[in-house]
Amino acid sequence: KAGVTQTPRYLIKTRGQQVTLSCSPISGHRSVSWYQQTPGQGLQFLFEYFSETQRNKGNFPGRFSGRQFSNSRSEMNVSTLELGDSALYLCASSALTGDNEKLFFGSGTQLSVL
Amino acid sequence: EDQVTQSPEALRLQEGESSSLNCSYTVSGLRGLFWYRQDPGKGPEFLFTLYSAGEEKEKERLKATLTKKESFLHITAPKPEDSATYLCAALVFSGGYNKLIFGAGTRLAVHP
Repeated sequence: KAGVTQTPRYLIKTRGQQVTLSCSPISGHRSVSWYQQTPGQGLQFLFEYFSETQRNKGNFPGRFSGRQFSNSRSEMNVSTLELGDSALYLCASSALTGDNEKLFFGSGTQLSVL
Repeated sequence: EDQVTQSPEALRLQEGESSSLNCSYTVSGLRGLFWYRQDPGKGPEFLFTLYSAGEEKEKERLKATLTKKESFLHITAPKPEDSATYLCAALVFSGGYNKLIFGAGTRLAVHP
């Protein structure tokens, strides 16, 4: 059974640009959550999607947005990039919304903003 | 404000030298305390969930315990393959939803 797949693995962007990250959950999983991981802050919750609907949202500015498609694949978009957006962005999937005990993480997308 | 703090930030052990990692939390309404292992270049991997003070769970050389203010991850006779970053997270109910609040992690290095 394939795990959670995130693409691309690495991205380098400059300030002011926008970026789109992709996440393919485990087959059969309908919930996808996104997290930002930085050395100082640890993992911080961005948002969760279940059946194409945003179910839960963290405390991030509106520049961070996401969506989920009918096949449960999800994308995350960050507009007007800032230096502080440099981080590892992790996606996690589960079969049910809020099923934190059965949360499976991808390997992440490492975003560097120059 | 809900907060989870892990200590130490980094820990270096010799193979076989047992130790403990600490996770202290200040949250309103803890619903569960999670431990994850994260290897370089990978996402976190679930280890344990603890739900009530006094609860303990074990897996191979790892044992997790929970009190009303903190959790410990005890590592007995560690091996080099136990080297990783260990994350703890508090599950809280906020804004109508369950949310995981993570600590910054403890980087463990076990040397032969």
